[in-house]
Amino acid sequence: ETVLTQSPATLSLSPGERATLSCRASQTVNYYLAWYQQKPGQAPRLLIYDASNRATGIPARFSGSGSGTDFTLTISSLEPEDFAVYYCQQRDNWPITFGPGTKVDVK
Amino acid sequence: QITLKESGPTLVKPSQTLTLTCTFSGFSLSTRGASVGWVRQPPGKALEWLAHIYWDDDKRYSPYLKSRLTITKDTPNNRVVLTMTNMAPVDTATFYCAHFRRLGHSYYFDSWGQGTPVTVSS
Repeated sequence: ETVLTQSPATLSLSPGERATLSCRASQTVNYYLAWYQQKPGQAPRLLIYDASNRATGIPARFSGSGSGTDFTLTISSLEPEDFAVYYCQQRDNWPITFGPGTKVDVK
Repeated sequence: QITLKESGPTLVKPSQTLTLTCTFSGFSLSTRGASVGWVRQPPGKALEWLAHIYWDDDKRYSPYLKSRLTITKDTPNNRVVLTMTNMAPVDTATFYCAHFRRLGHSYYFDSWGQGTPVTVSS
């Protein structure tokens, strides 16, 4: 199984600040990695697929990078609605796995 | 527009079998490439992939739960059913069904149901 590790567990920032979230895989996943956003009481929402492609309707302030084992989700300037939990997910190896999540909360 | 909705019991007793139904619209499982999956999330915890089924009836299961899971599709009625046997309190979670779409070079969950909470308790 490919284990995904996300850091930090919690990121405390203010609106307007830049957020940098990390996802590391225990083995290469090439670039078959996605990022999801989840708000309390809601289903996850796909943000990024294939490591760096924004899903339909996702604002340009969200960007993804990386390949192999190290990936980054960057939110260039946090909006109030961006405070949430973010999960990475790999699709290269079976079984599909998710990371433990990074919570972005208000400082 | 793709929509999915989960339905099933909110409370099951230990050792019972859970049956969940995902009813969807906006796509068909008769279309080549279509797929639906199930993901669960225990309270306050991370997401866990369970299973999914493709248009050609190919099925994939989490190796940790494979012996307890069965996924089937009812293509004419746009439904996917997940059964999980021998439920235990640790299986308490919100269960989501999601559309698994080919995007770029692989498949990802691009549309999700609202989720259905399931509690396992006597």
